[in-house]
Amino acid sequence: DIQMDQSPSTLSASVGDRVTITCRASQSISSWLAWYQQKPGKAPKLLIYKASNLESGVPSGFSGSGSGTEFTLTINSLRPDDFATYYCQQYSTSPFTFGGGTKVEIK
Amino acid sequence: QVQLMQSGAEVREPGASVRVSCKTSGYTFTDHYLHWVRQAPGQRLEWLGWINPNTGFSNHAQNFEHRVTLTRDMSINTAYMELTGLTSDDSAVYYCARGSGSYHFWGQGTLVTVSS
Repeated sequence: DIQMDQSPSTLSASVGDRVTITCRASQSISSWLAWYQQKPGKAPKLLIYKASNLESGVPSGFSGSGSGTEFTLTINSLRPDDFATYYCQQYSTSPFTFGGGTKVEIK
Repeated sequence: QVQLMQSGAEVREPGASVRVSCKTSGYTFTDHYLHWVRQAPGQRLEWLGWINPNTGFSNHAQNFEHRVTLTRDMSINTAYMELTGLTSDDSAVYYCARGSGSYHFWGQGTLVTVSS
């Protein structure tokens, strides 16, 4: 199975900060990577698909980059609504696997 | 609009089985694969498998190969996930999600609790 490692596991930041989350795959997944945002008690919400494509309706402050084994999610200027947990997911090879999550909390 | 509506919370004893439903609306049921993902408390999301609603063909994660069955009823635009041989490790929120790998639409989740 392809292992997905996210870092950091927790990130403390303030409104207006620029934050970057990293996801590393144990083998190349080309650009078959998605990013999700999850809030407590809710289903994940797709933010980015195919590594860098912004999902419809997602604010433009979110961006994704990378290919192969290293990927990043950047939030350009944190808004109060962005404090949540973020997950990466590879869908290159079955079984599709998720990262361990990054909790973005208020500093 | 696209909606995936899942069945309600379930409590089962160890060794029992559970079936979760995912009723879809707002799109052509047979046009998109449905996947199942679960999340145990404090754990990462875990993919269980997918079903092609058009053909009924499904694929499962090897971890669940002999315990999970994915089916669908085209007449009511509903997919089902059945998990057998439940243990406490299967206590989780189970989600259905529409997509071919990245999931643009999700159900609200179904809490399955396994407890004696």
